[in-house]
Amino acid sequence: SQQGEEDPQALSIQEGENATMNCSYKTSINNLQWYRQNSGRGLVHLILIRSNEREKHSGRLRVTLDTSKKSSSLLITASRAADTASYFCATDGNNLFFGTGTRLTVIP
Amino acid sequence: GAVVSQHPSRVICKSGTSVKIECRSLDFQATTMFWYRQFPKQSLMLMATSNEGSKATYEQGVEKDKFLINHASLTLSTLTVTSAHPEDSSFYICSARWGNTEAFFGQGTRLTVV
Repeated sequence: SQQGEEDPQALSIQEGENATMNCSYKTSINNLQWYRQNSGRGLVHLILIRSNEREKHSGRLRVTLDTSKKSSSLLITASRAADTASYFCATDGNNLFFGTGTRLTVIP
Repeated sequence: GAVVSQHPSRVICKSGTSVKIECRSLDFQATTMFWYRQFPKQSLMLMATSNEGSKATYEQGVEKDKFLINHASLTLSTLTVTSAHPEDSSFYICSARWGNTEAFFGQGTRLTVV
């Protein structure tokens, strides 16, 4: 399969809680990217982490990367209802392949 | 960030006709463009990768004669769905990048074949 695996597939939390999504992949990468997609819309780039980086922050987002385990995680802190969306990791070798995605619902 | 414009955003066509979708990088030159297909509530499946001036590389299972990709310039790639059928109805998304930098995505095209 060209896709990485993400878990959980769906996550429902209360506003203010933290949300953690995990991504595992199979091949070597140059970098790994996280994207957000609102229902039926295009993708919004959230953050890129390079293969020689272990952690990166952007606002309420924190991304980790463990190349030895071929895994990454996205943490959204202090979640808001507006964070409700699908989140995808994308592994970037020569091509850009997407994970299966996590559908996050933040309940006000 | 950089802007990628995809057009049209929605198209309805009759079965048997062909549809062309354009993907333009507006403020940078795209050496590589990717075309994806997304079914409802599923992830993006990479269909093909195109490098400017060369033939597209198709992923396994994607019919190259049905999904014609042209990357004629550093700012434009097109996907033509030929002889469209209802099963081709889907959300198609392009992305573009320069070298190995981050990719920027178009807003997608929702194709409905009736």
